[in-house]
Amino acid sequence: GQQLNQSPQSMFIQEGEDVSMNCTSSSIFNTWLWYKQDPGEGPVLLIALYKAGELTSNGRLTAQFGITRKDSFLNISASIPSDVGIYFCAGQRAGAGSYQLTFGKGTKLSVIP
Amino acid sequence: EPEVTQTPSHQVTQMGQEVILRCVPISNHLYFYWYRQILGQKVEFLVSFYNNEISEKSEIFDDQFSVERPDGSNFTLKIRSTKLEDSAMYFCASSGLAIEQFFGPGTRLTVL
Repeated sequence: GQQLNQSPQSMFIQEGEDVSMNCTSSSIFNTWLWYKQDPGEGPVLLIALYKAGELTSNGRLTAQFGITRKDSFLNISASIPSDVGIYFCAGQRAGAGSYQLTFGKGTKLSVIP
Repeated sequence: EPEVTQTPSHQVTQMGQEVILRCVPISNHLYFYWYRQILGQKVEFLVSFYNNEISEKSEIFDDQFSVERPDGSNFTLKIRSTKLEDSAMYFCASSGLAIEQFFGPGTRLTVL
């Protein structure tokens, strides 16, 4: 099946620092989505990207859909303690009639106050 | 803001028993999904449902699993005879146009 490689696996940063994480795939996706999951809760949609090269922001979050359609990154600027959680990328091959999301393994973010 | 809800939040069952996990998707959504997440691992797709039928399923979704939309609001996942390895968080999701999927809080299933 399709695999998404998400990195880094975990990161510890100081409050106020910027964060960057990315996902790569051997397969092309038509849509990339980024989710955040807090312990014991469901994934919450942060950003959705619909076309290659697209750069989209949501507050302090910025995500880009790679030109090759095989990668995406998420940046968080000026991190705050509530940014703590696990961030997942997810790819979708919607154009091929498949709506299932393929998830990465997640990046666990810890913010040191 | 509308949200996906799931019940129960935690289900404990004996191996071999049947369980039904329930979801109420966002009211005007047309596509419904079940995913599972084994503790500490990534979220995995199980099945998608549209227009009252399964549109896609993964290899995890074998004959022990079934889904149903018994009325206009509920969407259920049934596991006919639970196994130890079915222990996981089960997430329901829904979407309006099949792209942006919104997840519920999950049901933690523990099989003893």
